[in-house]
Amino acid sequence: LAKTTQPISMDSYEGQEVNITCSHNNIATNDYITWYQQFPSQGPRFIIQGYKTKVTNEVASLFIPADRKSSTLSLPRVSLSDTAVYYCLVGVSNQGGKLIFGQGTELSVKP
Amino acid sequence: EAGVAQSPRYKIIEKRQSVAFWCNPISGHATLYWYQQILGQGPKLLIQFQNNGVVDDSQLPKDRFSAERLKGVDSTLKIQPAKLEDSAVYLCASSLDMGSLGYTFGSGTRLTVV
Repeated sequence: LAKTTQPISMDSYEGQEVNITCSHNNIATNDYITWYQQFPSQGPRFIIQGYKTKVTNEVASLFIPADRKSSTLSLPRVSLSDTAVYYCLVGVSNQGGKLIFGQGTELSVKP
Repeated sequence: EAGVAQSPRYKIIEKRQSVAFWCNPISGHATLYWYQQILGQGPKLLIQFQNNGVVDDSQLPKDRFSAERLKGVDSTLKIQPAKLEDSAVYLCASSLDMGSLGYTFGSGTRLTVV
């Protein structure tokens, strides 16, 4: 499974846009990129998944360049409630690929 | 839809005791996973079930950990005997099938071994 690298922590203020970049240099052709969010005392929650270019949903956008060696999770206009740990994962969706979590990025949103 | 249910929510035991955790996945989800999350780390996969069969238990410490999903629905994870380093949150997750990456996690069971 491809290894991912992301910043350990980030700080932001309410109303700002936050971009968290994840590196996955060894991503395989069949791998999708998935992001999860985890609040304290809760299990991780699926945010967004993509294969290439850009994906947007009601929570976030995911930007994936053509070489797919990195991806950027974009959270528009964050609020205090977006304070959480964000995990970038790369897995093979068509082979029962198991999601392997790394350290994640601890995002702290301040007023 | 109802989420993934786990119980108990918290458990404190002494080392060398045994403990069991229960998970009820989302109805219709064939694949079930148990993860261990130590404070400050990401979740670590312990075991993966597809219906009532084990798909991957390579990271499960089989000398003390066991898990079953007898009827392909509920699952239990057991630790016997517990060690201090087993203190962690044990998360259960389920997905429609092995081709899906959209896991739904439960809130976990926080185990403290003293």
